[in-house]
Amino acid sequence: NAGVTQTPKFRVLKTGQSMTLLCAQDMNHEYMYWYRQDPGMGLRLIHYSVGEGTTAKGEVPDGYNVSRLKKQNFLLGLESAAPSQTSVYFCASRSRDRSYEQYFGPGTRLTVT
Amino acid sequence: GIQVEQSPPDLILQEGANSTLRCNFSDSVNNLQWFHQNPWGQLINLFYIPSGTKQNGRLSATTVATERYSLLYISSSQTTDSGVYFCAVEPNDYKLSFGAGTTVTVRA
Repeated sequence: NAGVTQTPKFRVLKTGQSMTLLCAQDMNHEYMYWYRQDPGMGLRLIHYSVGEGTTAKGEVPDGYNVSRLKKQNFLLGLESAAPSQTSVYFCASRSRDRSYEQYFGPGTRLTVT
Repeated sequence: GIQVEQSPPDLILQEGANSTLRCNFSDSVNNLQWFHQNPWGQLINLFYIPSGTKQNGRLSATTVATERYSLLYISSSQTTDSGVYFCAVEPNDYKLSFGAGTTVTVRA
């Protein structure tokens, strides 16, 4: 049982490049989330999904897109990376039917130069 | 949206000392969790505690939902307790809102 995994762990992009971050969970959770963490701050919600095929905006969605084509996967895309998107990105998942406890992945450190 | 305030922002402890971290929130919640972010950046679930008291080894937590606060107690602190402690709450909308965290440094 791997829990929540994220790919890649590190990435450096140049301004204007695109990339996709992959989050996978093997706990059959309905809800999945993408957060970003900037230095000295807590986590802020980018986008989330309450089920396969559904997504919604969080607190800081601009510049990001997401897709949830399969229940176990949640993808975060940056179409044209900007230095302001340099951050650590965390994925999380949660069951709808059990406790509300969220489980987090290990994070992806992204640098945009 | 809901406001989450953590105090103190920074805490320096001598190994073996006890401490209390506080989390205040501005509205009623369905979910409250405490996390420890270790120096490698990993977020570790400490407690899921929307109300009541729980203990796990040297750590314990209490949430008084009616007064909208939660406390995290660290007893007999060790250097491995260093890191950032986050409180996060969910009102009733499937989304966690995080506080800014308390940075704990335990010195040997």
